[in-house]
Amino acid sequence: GQQVMQIPQYQHVQEGEDFTTYCNSSTTLSNIQWYKQRPGGHPVFLIQLVKSGEVKKQKRLTFQFGEAKKNSSLHITATQTTDVGTYFCAGLTGNQFYFGTGTSLTVIP
Amino acid sequence: DTGVSQNPRHKITKRGQNVTFRCDPISEHNRLYWYRQTLGQGPEFLTYFQNEAQLEKSRLLSDRFSAERPKGSFSTLEIQRTEQGDSAMYLCASSTGRVSGYTFGSGTRLTVV
Repeated sequence: GQQVMQIPQYQHVQEGEDFTTYCNSSTTLSNIQWYKQRPGGHPVFLIQLVKSGEVKKQKRLTFQFGEAKKNSSLHITATQTTDVGTYFCAGLTGNQFYFGTGTSLTVIP
Repeated sequence: DTGVSQNPRHKITKRGQNVTFRCDPISEHNRLYWYRQTLGQGPEFLTYFQNEAQLEKSRLLSDRFSAERPKGSFSTLEIQRTEQGDSAMYLCASSTGRVSGYTFGSGTRLTVV
């Protein structure tokens, strides 16, 4: 069945350092989405990538979709304490999105 | 529009009891999804509706689980004869289409004792 794995599972960074989470799928994905879930909160949609090799930026966040459409990454430049939370990728296979295992980011002030 | 609304926010029930959760999606969204999330894991797909039709169910959804979306508006998720393994956060999400971003509700946290 569909499996979407993310690494690392946890990441602690000093404020101002960069952060990257990687998402890998066992199958080719039609689309990939990224969500952020704050502690105690619910997932919030960040962005969607559709095209092979696509790169999108949102301020300090850079999202990439792999050429083979089986992997993706989220990079945060100069982390801030407001970036704390768990970042999930979600890959579209069939009619719904399958969520990855998530990367929990802790930012140390 | 107040987003996706779920209630109750918390539910504690004894093993063997039945529980029902409700989700009110964003009114313009014709797709509604139920996911389950346990601590430290990503949301797991349970089922989804397009309007009132339930189009797909996960193998995770045993016979004790049933979901409805009468009239294509709000949805209910019922768990019969609850088990301790059912303890989780049950998330509802809605979207405008197959490839649209999901808007999640705040979830219903179920604890089975």
